[in-house]
Amino acid sequence: GAGVSQSPSNKVTEKGKDVELRCDPISGHTALYWYRQSLGQGLEFLIYFQGNSAPDKSGLPSDRFSAERTGGSVSTLTIQRTQQEDSAVYLCAKGARAGELFFGEGSRLTVL
Amino acid sequence: GQNIDQPTEMTATEGAIVQINCTYQTSGFNGLFWYQQHAGEAPTFLSYNVLDGLEEKGRFSSFLSRSKGYSYLLLKELQMKDSASYLCAPRAAGNKLTFGGGTRVLVKP
Repeated sequence: GAGVSQSPSNKVTEKGKDVELRCDPISGHTALYWYRQSLGQGLEFLIYFQGNSAPDKSGLPSDRFSAERTGGSVSTLTIQRTQQEDSAVYLCAKGARAGELFFGEGSRLTVL
Repeated sequence: GQNIDQPTEMTATEGAIVQINCTYQTSGFNGLFWYQQHAGEAPTFLSYNVLDGLEEKGRFSSFLSRSKGYSYLLLKELQMKDSASYLCAPRAAGNKLTFGGGTRVLVKP
């Protein structure tokens, strides 16, 4: 959606496994955000990348979560040793010039 | 930190007007956004306010009072397709955008 590609769209994994979620903002905007949304809940901020600045990691819920952004474009969110409470839709968004965000369709993660 | 407060749910009739209020506290303030999210879909941008006052965009208007930490989204001439969640999102200094829990609007015939 809106020029942001996320993969996989759905991921089912077993508790304790590691998962990687990918986000490609396609047109290479400098600002990239990760959010997570549990069923029926609002969006929870995870991490924000802006150009070459150090990322704002203040929303990462634990040290099992990490994210990187290579070449100022594609980003990967990694969750190690997944837990059932990690089950959610993980949304990536790119920031436009005026500041509004354009979201991808999300990656739905289910931890059994 | 940021605190964002908006009603959980609102119900209105097709053709009516609904006003969704949002109060917020932020560490620095750099504008406020409203997003619409239909069930099972990604949020989409509706409006942006950075100065006090009313911004009108078709059937949707958004108001901001920075001194009061208050915004509202006004939906006029409600249509069935407007049934969705509406998310208030103030932006703090440094461009971090934090979302409220959203207001689920149900439009009835």
